[in-house]
Amino acid sequence: DVQMTQSPYNLAASPGESVSINCKASKSISKYLAWYQQKPGKANKLLIYDGSTLQSGIPSRFSGSGSGTDFTLTIRSLEPEDFGLYYCQQHNEYPFTFGSGTKLEIK
Amino acid sequence: EVQLQQSGPEVGRPGSSVKISCKASGYTFTDYVMNWVKQSPGQGLEWIGWIDPEYGSTDYAEKFKKKATLTADTSSNTAYIQLSSLTSEDTATYFCARGGGVMDAWGQGASVTVSS
Repeated sequence: DVQMTQSPYNLAASPGESVSINCKASKSISKYLAWYQQKPGKANKLLIYDGSTLQSGIPSRFSGSGSGTDFTLTIRSLEPEDFGLYYCQQHNEYPFTFGSGTKLEIK
Repeated sequence: EVQLQQSGPEVGRPGSSVKISCKASGYTFTDYVMNWVKQSPGQGLEWIGWIDPEYGSTDYAEKFKKKATLTADTSSNTAYIQLSSLTSEDTATYFCARGGGVMDAWGQGASVTVSS
């Protein structure tokens, strides 16, 4: 199985700042990486897929980059609603596997 | 609007089975496969498998092949996951999520607690 290593585990930032979350695959997954947001009481939300394609309805302050084994989710000009848990997931091969998550907290 | 409405919390005794439902609306049920994902308390996400509702075909992660059974009822646009031979390791929240590798809509999650 492809192991996904996500960093950092925790991240604290203030509204208006920019942050980056990293995800590293144990082998090449080409461009096939997705990012999700998880918040209590809300359905998980797809943000980015195919490494850098913004899901419909997601604000342009979210962006994804990378290919092969190294990927990054960047959130520019943080809004209060952006705080929560973020997961990466490879969708290149079965079984699909997720990173361990990054908790983005308000500083 | 795409919605996946999951059934309520379940409590199962060790060794028993539970069945969780996921009712889809807002799209053609047979046009998308349905994934199931497990989240143990305080832990990350694990992919269990998917079902193609149109054909009933399934694929499972190796770890869940003897634990989970995925089915779908096209007459009611509902997908199901049955978990068998419950142990404490099965205590978790289970999500349904539409799509193949890219899961673009998720249910709210259904908690399963295994307790005697």
